[in-house]
Amino acid sequence: DAGITQSPRHKVTETGTPVTLRCHQTENHRYMYWYRQDPGHGLRLIHYSYGVKDTDKGEVSDGYSVSRSKTEDFLLTLESATSSQTSVYFCAISAGTSGPPGDGEQFFGPGTRLTVL
Amino acid sequence: AQSVTQLDSQVPVFEEAPVELRCNYSSSVSVYLFWYVQYPNQGLQLLLKYLSGSTLVKGINGFEAEFNKSQTSFHLRKPSVHISDTAEYFCAVSDLMDSSYKLIFGSGTRLLVRP
Repeated sequence: DAGITQSPRHKVTETGTPVTLRCHQTENHRYMYWYRQDPGHGLRLIHYSYGVKDTDKGEVSDGYSVSRSKTEDFLLTLESATSSQTSVYFCAISAGTSGPPGDGEQFFGPGTRLTVL
Repeated sequence: AQSVTQLDSQVPVFEEAPVELRCNYSSSVSVYLFWYVQYPNQGLQLLLKYLSGSTLVKGINGFEAEFNKSQTSFHLRKPSVHISDTAEYFCAVSDLMDSSYKLIFGSGTRLLVRP
């Protein structure tokens, strides 16, 4: 299994509080992604990173920010959590075409279940 | 923009019966195609992928999928399902012209295998 961990695995918080989710990889992959999973929507991309300090927005980026100060860590921050951000959050990594398997395949972490009350 | 449609939100089937989960994508530009499986309370695991070459792709756990460029489809099949195949299945596409390698996912199909 690809070495991807997410922390925390579960979190309950209140509306208006800041929340940071962490994704850590041991594969030295260049690309990292944050998705949210909601019933009926599959997985939707929030933000992604293509290198240290290089990030870009995805499909559903409003209300979220990210940071990547080291290759191995990708942080997702909800500056002021809202109930609509209750979801399961997945981190994924990819070597793109520069590393095995060379086809952009993504490997997923175990997920973080976030509940905003 | 690329989009992926999984036509069935839920597919019930009896054990040892065949199953097909349907997936269509929106664009005929060069793409990579993936099927992922998610077991309850777990992350996503790759079942199979189409990159190029033979249009019939075989994956893990006896699953296979056929790429049809003219119909922009990538349907997943298994000739005989087991109870343990109960899970949610996601089709995803990656646009080869997109250097971010991001995936566009379908909404998922829940496969329920009954004894």
